[in-house]
Amino acid sequence: AQTVTQSQPEMSVQEAETVTLSCTYDTSENNYYLFWYKQPPSRQMILVIRQEAYKQQNATENRFSVNFQKAAKSFSLKISDSQLGDTAMYFCAFMKPGAGSYQLTFGKGTKLSVIP
Amino acid sequence: GAGVSQSPRYKVAKRGQDVALRCDPISGHVSLFWYQQALGQGPEFLTYFQNEAQLDKSGLPSDRFFAERPEGSVSTLKIQRTQQEDSAVYLCASSHSSRGESNEQFFGPGTRLTVL
Repeated sequence: AQTVTQSQPEMSVQEAETVTLSCTYDTSENNYYLFWYKQPPSRQMILVIRQEAYKQQNATENRFSVNFQKAAKSFSLKISDSQLGDTAMYFCAFMKPGAGSYQLTFGKGTKLSVIP
Repeated sequence: GAGVSQSPRYKVAKRGQDVALRCDPISGHVSLFWYQQALGQGPEFLTYFQNEAQLDKSGLPSDRFFAERPEGSVSTLKIQRTQQEDSAVYLCASSHSSRGESNEQFFGPGTRLTVL
């Protein structure tokens, strides 16, 4: 079974600064997907960024980028130029594709507060 | 188009009552997932449908939990004889397919169930 660990329950960052959220995972699979989801207060979860394990290049989406270290089973999220709207819970998630179900396995989340 | 919708948004039940939670996925999405999110935790997988077929129900915590998607669109999660430990937010997600870029899961706003 896969497990996802987010070791930072809460973090804060000043507006316009950069912050990195940590995620590690445990799997024996070689082919899989990793995701960061954002869950703003009282709003629904949305996808921030995704990474396919077979791709060596780190994914980027505007101010969001990841540092994917496959051998270390590490998948951190960097948010640059933090904005007040980035305040949310951030969940790291793992997916093993293949026959049958391809559910997401989530970490416990990191609560990020952006301070004006 | 419209996103994933869920109803009701809030449900209060007395212990022992039966409840039914509804999910309307994005039109044309083949895959549908149910997750349970306890307070302060990440979502945990309950069950998965591909069209009308329930391909994975390994996450359902007991035989009091039942899900269906009879016409491959709307899904209902039913909980019989509710217990206090069933109190959580129930999230529904849908995706276009299981393949490649189309496996992104889009989440609904959730139903917050409180069992008294």
